[in-house]
Amino acid sequence: EAQVTQNPRYLITVTGKKLTVTCSQNMNHEYMSWYRQDPGLGLRQIYYSMNVEVTDKGDVPEGYKVSRKEKRNFPLILESPSPNQTSLYFCASSLGGGPGSGYTFGSGTRLTVV
Amino acid sequence: AQSVTQLGSHVSVSEGALVLLRCNYSSSVPPYLFWYVQYPNQGLQLLLKYTTGATLVKGINGFEAEFKKSETSFHLTKPSAHMSDAAEYFCAVSINAGGTSYGKLTFGQGTILTVHP
Repeated sequence: EAQVTQNPRYLITVTGKKLTVTCSQNMNHEYMSWYRQDPGLGLRQIYYSMNVEVTDKGDVPEGYKVSRKEKRNFPLILESPSPNQTSLYFCASSLGGGPGSGYTFGSGTRLTVV
Repeated sequence: AQSVTQLGSHVSVSEGALVLLRCNYSSSVPPYLFWYVQYPNQGLQLLLKYTTGATLVKGINGFEAEFKKSETSFHLTKPSAHMSDAAEYFCAVSINAGGTSYGKLTFGQGTILTVHP
């Protein structure tokens, strides 16, 4: 089944403790992206990647890092999480990333930083 | 830069009634428009999208939306609501541009649809 898999689904952590949220897609998609969802704000793009070793900042990149060493994987790294990063995170992928592309979203990771 | 405004953070309808969720966009170039649905504790599912061509777009689960350039709108409708339609709905826009806009979906704030028996 074609899908985007995120892990973990739920995570509670303490301020300053480094964490990684994994994202993997099995559709050979070139374009991958991370969003965070906050009530009343919709989804905002954190980082995106157009292909292996090609990443760039989205609208809200502060406090996050990403890497794209393999086409299928696009992990999101929080090196020193803070409470304002408590949010619902979604990974998404698409074949080419063009404006009409269909995007496949993961099921989300709910992160709580205390 | 592009933006999306969804009018009404909460919409409540009775089962069988018309569903109308409003979306207005801002874009300096022709937009590509999307509606996504999010059921509780799930990811986002594409309902429908407008790229080019016919301005009335039909999607899954009986939903449709009409692109109106003169009104910069892309409202979502369904003639008769079902209980299973209760969810949060997001309108999104993308444009054909390079740089940081490439591939980016810009989302509205979301509208929570409640369906009463």
